[in-house]
Amino acid sequence: SQQGEEDPQALSIQEGENATMNCSYKTSINNLQWYRQNSGRGLVHLILIRSNEREKHSGRLRVTLDTSKKSSSLLITASRAADTASYFCATRDNYGQNFVFGPGTRLSVLP
Amino acid sequence: EPEVTQTPSHQVTQMGQEVILRCVPISNHLYFYWYRQILGQKVEFLVSFYNNEISEKSEIFDDQFSVERPDGSNFTLKIRSTKLEDSAMYFCASSAGGRGGQPQHFGDGTRLSIL
Repeated sequence: SQQGEEDPQALSIQEGENATMNCSYKTSINNLQWYRQNSGRGLVHLILIRSNEREKHSGRLRVTLDTSKKSSSLLITASRAADTASYFCATRDNYGQNFVFGPGTRLSVLP
Repeated sequence: EPEVTQTPSHQVTQMGQEVILRCVPISNHLYFYWYRQILGQKVEFLVSFYNNEISEKSEIFDDQFSVERPDGSNFTLKIRSTKLEDSAMYFCASSAGGRGGQPQHFGDGTRLSIL
């Protein structure tokens, strides 16, 4: 079955540094979405990138998608302590309705 | 900004008992979902619901589970006879469009503890 797998599993950086997280998946997709989850809270949608797009920006977030490698990356620039959270990619294939979430990357931004 | 609300935030139930988790999706959304997240693990899809019927369900969503939209605002998940392994966070989500083409908006979840 298709599955998004993020790496690294955990990432610890200093405030102001950039954080890069990667996601790999197995099957052809319609789109890929990134979500953030603060501890004890629900998931918050960050950005959606469609299969015909290669890059997308939203504020300090930059997402790339390489369908030939079945991978995506999420870059957070100029990180802040408030960016500390788990980040998940979610993929939906061309046939299914619903998302499959990866296990996530736990990002810690140290002040 | 409208949000998905879930109640209760924490539910403690004896094994074998029935439990109902409640959700109020965003009012103009048409697609509703339940997910489960066991502590420290990934978010797992349970079921999606549209037009008053289940549109897709996962292997986890067996006969012990059911969903209902009893009125115009609530969306519930019922577990008929809970097991220890049902202990998890349960998240409700809604979206304006289906087929994964729109962002899903999540509630803060219900932590279900089965004793």
